[in-house]
Amino acid sequence: AQTVTQSQPEMSVQEAETVTLSCTYDTSENNYYLFWYKQPPSRQMILVIRQEAYKQQNATENRFSVNFQKAAKSFSLKISDSQLGDTAMYFCAFMKWETSGSRLTFGEGTQLTVNP
Amino acid sequence: DVKVTQSSRYLVKRTGEKVFLECVQDMDHENMFWYRQDPGLGLRLIYFSYDVKMKEKGDIPEGYSVSREKKERFSLILESASTNQTSMYLCASSSEGKLANYGYTFGSGTRLTVV
Repeated sequence: AQTVTQSQPEMSVQEAETVTLSCTYDTSENNYYLFWYKQPPSRQMILVIRQEAYKQQNATENRFSVNFQKAAKSFSLKISDSQLGDTAMYFCAFMKWETSGSRLTFGEGTQLTVNP
Repeated sequence: DVKVTQSSRYLVKRTGEKVFLECVQDMDHENMFWYRQDPGLGLRLIYFSYDVKMKEKGDIPEGYSVSREKKERFSLILESASTNQTSMYLCASSSEGKLANYGYTFGSGTRLTVV
């Protein structure tokens, strides 16, 4: 079974600064997908970024980028120029492709607070 | 705008009651999922369904059942609610096949309190 670990329950950053959230995972699979989801106080889960394991290039979406280290099974999220609206719970998630469908396995979450 | 709608945002039920949590999606997705979210534990999969009238157990199915009579609707049932089922419940859906690899669409959650 796959496991996902986020070792930072809480983090804080000053507005306009950069912050990195950590995520490690354990799997014996070679082909899989990794995600970062954001859950603001509204509780709506929002997909932030997605990485395909067979792609060596790190995914980037505007101010959000990942550092994907496949051998180390590490998938960290970097948020540049942090904004107050980035305050949220962030979840790292793993998806293994299965013929009968896909399942997302989540980490414990990191509560990020952006301070003015 | 595509949506996954959960019928209740907040719910308070008594111990021993039968509780229904409803989830409806309008994206014609084949796959639907129920998770519970607890502080420090993240999201844990309760049940999922890849097609109408089919269901599969997730990681924590004990005390729960599900129903999927129509493609767009996936219900989570607490047969006899207990205080340890007080939690946030999230419904999600996704397409089948390779499109599922793009992740899920989530509802806004139901915060259930069992007293």
